[in-house]
Amino acid sequence: DAGITQSPRHKVTETGTPVTLRCHQTENHRYMYWYRQDPGHGLRLIHYSYGVKDTDKGEVSDGYSVSRSKTEDFLLTLESATSSQTSVYFCAISESAGGYEQYFGPGTRLTVT
Amino acid sequence: QKEVEQDPGPLSVPEGAIVSLNCTYSNSAFQYFMWYRQYSRKGPELLMYTYSSGNKEDGRFTAQVDKSSKYISLFIRDSQPSDSATYLCAMRGPSQGAQKLVFGQGTRLTINP
Repeated sequence: DAGITQSPRHKVTETGTPVTLRCHQTENHRYMYWYRQDPGHGLRLIHYSYGVKDTDKGEVSDGYSVSRSKTEDFLLTLESATSSQTSVYFCAISESAGGYEQYFGPGTRLTVT
Repeated sequence: QKEVEQDPGPLSVPEGAIVSLNCTYSNSAFQYFMWYRQYSRKGPELLMYTYSSGNKEDGRFTAQVDKSSKYISLFIRDSQPSDSATYLCAMRGPSQGAQKLVFGQGTRLTINP
């Protein structure tokens, strides 16, 4: 988890409320990712960023948006949280264009009631 | 059918045993193969990665790729209780600009003292 922090680490929120999760890195890596991890599904990519203000969708992007205004910060927003978005969210960073060496943060456990 | 299949286990072995963890995949374009280790309530950490076919060794860990069979393995020699974790395989293809990893769902491993 060195060089990557996520906040908050735990959050309980109600259905319909917006939620923003933050990923902060001190490694100056160009590429940043948001994943969710659910039993039976493993890690699934939500969105990723290949530079400041450059983002793209992943496998499960519906209901999520992202922003990256600085190299070190990557924000994930759940526009209107639903119970199906209860999950553990991980941020990852990568220096290589290939993205095969990704380093993960400690995760955010989100519960939507 | 999932692109990457991994037996979720759980797998329980005695200390000192050789452990074999495996993944199969369906996408013949995959060229990079990774193994991550995830301790409970922590983020995944990269153990090793290989490119294309062949073996790669790092201490007690050996990664093996058989592209003809679309099958990858991770062997752990002289297993220790500290190896108890969930092991995730991950893969990606050669597409430029799309550093998207596809993960298996992970195998939960327990090493019994």
